[in-house]
Amino acid sequence: ILNVEQSPQSLHVQEGDSTNFTCSFPSSNFYALHWYRWETAKSPEALFVMTLNGDEKKKGRISATLNTKEGYSYLYIKGSQPEDSATYLCAFTSGGSYIPTFGRGTSLIVHP
Amino acid sequence: DAGVTQSPTHLIKTRGQHVTLRCSPISGHKSVSWYQQVLGQGPQFIFQYYEKEERGRGNFPDRFSARQFPNYSSELNVNALLLGDSALYLCASSSQGSEQYFGPGTRLTVT
Repeated sequence: ILNVEQSPQSLHVQEGDSTNFTCSFPSSNFYALHWYRWETAKSPEALFVMTLNGDEKKKGRISATLNTKEGYSYLYIKGSQPEDSATYLCAFTSGGSYIPTFGRGTSLIVHP
Repeated sequence: DAGVTQSPTHLIKTRGQHVTLRCSPISGHKSVSWYQQVLGQGPQFIFQYYEKEERGRGNFPDRFSARQFPNYSSELNVNALLLGDSALYLCASSSQGSEQYFGPGTRLTVT
């Protein structure tokens, strides 16, 4: 059973704050790491797919980094807005099975 | 273009019953995956189908089965329902090797 851990479990920030979360995954047999945003009452939405060690991806105020050697990825949100409130999920896929293993998610609430 | 659709949106069943959940992928997507999400946990992979063939199976009992039809829509079947099967069931579609697009899910409650 692959262990994918996300921290923190939940986060409350004020509008304008910058924040970051961590996704930890097995450092062996890496294939891909996905980040998703899941707003309440909506479907999970893909943010990034990362495949290479050292990858950095950016979409607007959100960015992500990847370290496959040590088994972690960071998701950063710059200048959080209330509309960023959502659960952020990461999913690790190993080269052995290609089956994604999701973390429990980080619940972000941005207060106006 | 419509996204991934799932039906029904909500369902209440009794222990021991059988349930069928349905998923229609985005037009042109040939791969469909099913996930179970229990409150407080991340989605757990159940099945993946590509071109009507099972490509992956998660750690779920044989009570769970699925199939994909020629139009690439899919059904997830669960027999002999248990209370622990209560969850949100998500379907996701993709083109081969591309990112997954999720549907809104079916909320199953087993009483």
